[in-house]
Amino acid sequence: LAKTTQPISMDSYEGQEVNITCSHNNIATNDYITWYQQFPSQGPRFIIQGYKTKVTNEVASLFIPADRKSSTLSLPRVSLSDTAVYYCLVGDWAGGFKTIFGAGTRLFVKA
Amino acid sequence: DGGITQSPKYLFRKEGQNVTLSCEQNLNHDAMYWYRQDPGQGLRLIYYSQIVNDFQKGDIAEGYSVSREKKESFPLTVTSAQKNPTAFYLCATTTGQGRTGELFFGEGSRLTVL
Repeated sequence: LAKTTQPISMDSYEGQEVNITCSHNNIATNDYITWYQQFPSQGPRFIIQGYKTKVTNEVASLFIPADRKSSTLSLPRVSLSDTAVYYCLVGDWAGGFKTIFGAGTRLFVKA
Repeated sequence: DGGITQSPKYLFRKEGQNVTLSCEQNLNHDAMYWYRQDPGQGLRLIYYSQIVNDFQKGDIAEGYSVSREKKESFPLTVTSAQKNPTAFYLCATTTGQGRTGELFFGEGSRLTVL
């Protein structure tokens, strides 16, 4: 399973765009990249998933360069309620997926 | 409503006692997982099950046991052999099929050893 590296913490202000980068140098050909959000005392919640290039949904965008050795989660115009921990996961779901969560990135949005 | 139900939400245990955390799902998902989370830390995989009557150890299985007799249920027993069981425990499910997918999590159970 590919190991991921993320910044431990980030600060931002309301209304700003936030970009969180995840490094996964040994990503395998069949691996997908998935991001989760976790609030205190709750289970993580799926944000977005992608394989290459760019994926966008109503919550975020995911940018994946051609070599796929990193990915960037982009949160447009964050609000105080986006203060949470964000996890980057890399893996292949085929035949079952033994998921590994790293320490994540703690995002703190200030007013 | 479809979802994952974990119980109890809070549990206190005396040292030397076994406790069982319940995880029930009505999402018809094949795969189920148990994670442990310590304060300020990420999630660590305890056990996972891809199908009924089958389960595998995760990274920190020592001191824990599970069963998967029904598709809907994946209870976790924290035994007295677990030296530091105070933590937040999360159950998750996924369809376990195809190349993509997402994990669905329950609300968690917080275990405190007195």
